[in-house]
Amino acid sequence: AQRVTQPEKLLSVFKGAPVELKCNYSYSGSPELFWYVQYSRQRLQLLLRHISRESIKGFTADLNKGETSFHLKKPFAQEEDSAMYYCALTGAGRRALTFGSGTRLQVQP
Amino acid sequence: DAGITQSPRYKITETGRQVTLMCHQTWSHSYMFWYRQDLGHGLRLIYYSAAADITDKGEVPDGYVVSRSKTENFPLTLESATRSQTSVYFCASSPGLAGSNTGELFFGEGSRLTVL
Repeated sequence: AQRVTQPEKLLSVFKGAPVELKCNYSYSGSPELFWYVQYSRQRLQLLLRHISRESIKGFTADLNKGETSFHLKKPFAQEEDSAMYYCALTGAGRRALTFGSGTRLQVQP
Repeated sequence: DAGITQSPRYKITETGRQVTLMCHQTWSHSYMFWYRQDLGHGLRLIYYSAAADITDKGEVPDGYVVSRSKTENFPLTLESATRSQTSVYFCASSPGLAGSNTGELFFGEGSRLTVL
C-alpha cells in the first residue's frame, strides 16, 4: 500500500525565514511525487512535480529515495505563501494520486 | 467558461437520504476523480474514472456510487447518507495518467456536505 505522511499540521514562520514542509512516503516501487497547494478561496492546484525538477514561486523539492522523503523548501518565505500544502504520490498504474493530510503554512509579517 | 464545476456547492441533508453531487468538465479530460477532504485525513480518493463507462474504487468507496455515462460528467451519489459522510467533496479531472506530463489534476471548488 502507498502512503504519504506530512507530520506537521501547522507550520508558522516569519516573513523572510526559510521554510521546509516535510513529506515522507511509503511505496515499494518507483513513485512520482507532487506538491499541491490551496490558497485561501482558491482551488487546489499543482505547485510542482519531482519529475520536472523545477522551481515554482521559489519552492523546490528533492526526492530522496533513501529517506523516502520529498520535502518542500523555500529559502525566504513570503506572506503570499500562506496556504495549505499537500504532498501527493502516484505509484503503479499512475492512475490516481494519494495525498497526505496536508500542512498549513502561515507566514507572519 | 471552460473548466470544472461542481454542484451544489453547499448541501445539508438528513441521515438516510440520497444525495447526488454533480461534477462537470468542459475539457474532455479522460480521467475524473472524487476526493473527500477531512481534517486530519487530507484528501482521500473515493472513486475515479479513466474514461466513459470505466470506474474504479479508491481508498474509501463504501457508501458511494458513481457513474460516467458521458466523458464530461462524473456524478457522485450517496445512496443513504450517514453523519460520517459529512465532508468537503472535491472533483478533479486530468487529461492523462497521474504520473505523466499530462497528468496534472484540475480541481473543482468543492461541495460542502453536512449530514444531520
